[in-house]
Amino acid sequence: DTGVSQDPRHKITKRGQNVTFRCDPISEHNRLYWYRQTLGQGPEFLTYFQNEAQLEKSRLLSDRFSAERPKGSFSTLEIQRTEQGDSAMYLCASSSSSPGYYTFGSGTRLTVV
Amino acid sequence: AQSVTQLGSHVSVSEGALVLLRCNYSSSVPPYLFWYVQYPNQGLQLLLKYTTGATLVKGINGFEAEFKKSETSFHLTKPSAHMSDAAEYFCAVSPYQAGTALIFGKGTTLSVSS
Repeated sequence: DTGVSQDPRHKITKRGQNVTFRCDPISEHNRLYWYRQTLGQGPEFLTYFQNEAQLEKSRLLSDRFSAERPKGSFSTLEIQRTEQGDSAMYLCASSSSSPGYYTFGSGTRLTVV
Repeated sequence: AQSVTQLGSHVSVSEGALVLLRCNYSSSVPPYLFWYVQYPNQGLQLLLKYTTGATLVKGINGFEAEFKKSETSFHLTKPSAHMSDAAEYFCAVSPYQAGTALIFGKGTTLSVSS
């Protein structure tokens, strides 16, 4: 068990550029979640996958955001036409079918300049 | 719908003093409850969780929390604070159902002075 891996750890981008983040969950976990955390706030739920199916999306996930989990393993989160308000820590978590077991990655910190 | 309220965005204690971080939840179904700790520029580390069974839950680093259904509370305590406990603490809830996303409170920053 190598935990949940996120790449990159840090990303600085210019406003208007597209960015993509990757999350590799724990291999036996079939559920994967994306959260966004802004300074001084708790993590806010963005979206959730069970295997490759995207089952739930928050209204925070505007049409500039898209997430995929093509083979039910790793996931990507893409933000198009980034805005300064997108600056945040993006956290990925995974869980198994057993209730109450969530493991978080270290996050990707996005700075839009 | 579920929600979490953490009372006090900042708590300061002296080293060796009792730590009490407050969390109240709202849930229409029996909840699972969690406390996470976050150090600067890091992800979330699970301190403890309540799913079913014993309402007093013991976690890592000497922390514990008690689920009180009548008060809809899940306060986090530690008898004696250490300098290394200084961090951000988040309470979270999910409904009694596997696979549902966690809903977090806004967090409480714990400062520990010597």
